[in-house]
Amino acid sequence: DADVTQTPRNRITKTGKRIMLECSQTKGHDRMYWYRQDPGLGLQLIYYSFDVKDINKGEISDGYSVSRQAQAKFSLSLESAIPNQTALYFCATSDFRQGRYEQYFGPGTRLTVT
Amino acid sequence: EDQVTQSPEALRLQEGESSSLNCSYTVSGLRGLFWYRQDPGKGPEFLFTLYSAGEEKEKERLKATLTKKESFLHITAPKPEDSATYLCAVQVGGGADGLTFGKGTHLIIQP
Repeated sequence: DADVTQTPRNRITKTGKRIMLECSQTKGHDRMYWYRQDPGLGLQLIYYSFDVKDINKGEISDGYSVSRQAQAKFSLSLESAIPNQTALYFCATSDFRQGRYEQYFGPGTRLTVT
Repeated sequence: EDQVTQSPEALRLQEGESSSLNCSYTVSGLRGLFWYRQDPGKGPEFLFTLYSAGEEKEKERLKATLTKKESFLHITAPKPEDSATYLCAVQVGGGADGLTFGKGTHLIIQP
């Protein structure tokens, strides 16, 4: 089984709809992250969480919100989707408490907003 | 502003033809530099972490090195299965925790 899972893997939605992307991990890592990837651009950080009670904005947080429901679960919401939020979304984790800074990524969610 | 620039954007090699990918960075307070491999439609796969200038890491046909301004990913005698996009990322110290990524090098190894 994959250590970091994301659901759904693909989603098509319409402008103005609310949508939630979910991420779960079995790695026991404390930190979790959401990134988006657009063609021709690098991955960009949306939000990150140190633990359940600590949520931080990344470089492109406008239009997004997150919830850390448990150490193993981190969800990303688009309150009112718009076409320029069409992208590939990745969740990642890191084991910062053990002094390990590398991040491990999930398989991604391909989101299309029409 | 932290910046990561990867070159070349794309590279086509023959099987067995060794080469290097470059990642130059401008950051204040580097905590670590990371290399990832990404296959089409998949999440980035972690390869290496480098923490200080002079450090080297190896894995199969890949070797990563780090100086104060750049990192190289050397690929020796590549095989077609090494074809992928290779991403470089940096993390700075302090309170922020995300990775800043370059745009990647798309590597194609022809049989």
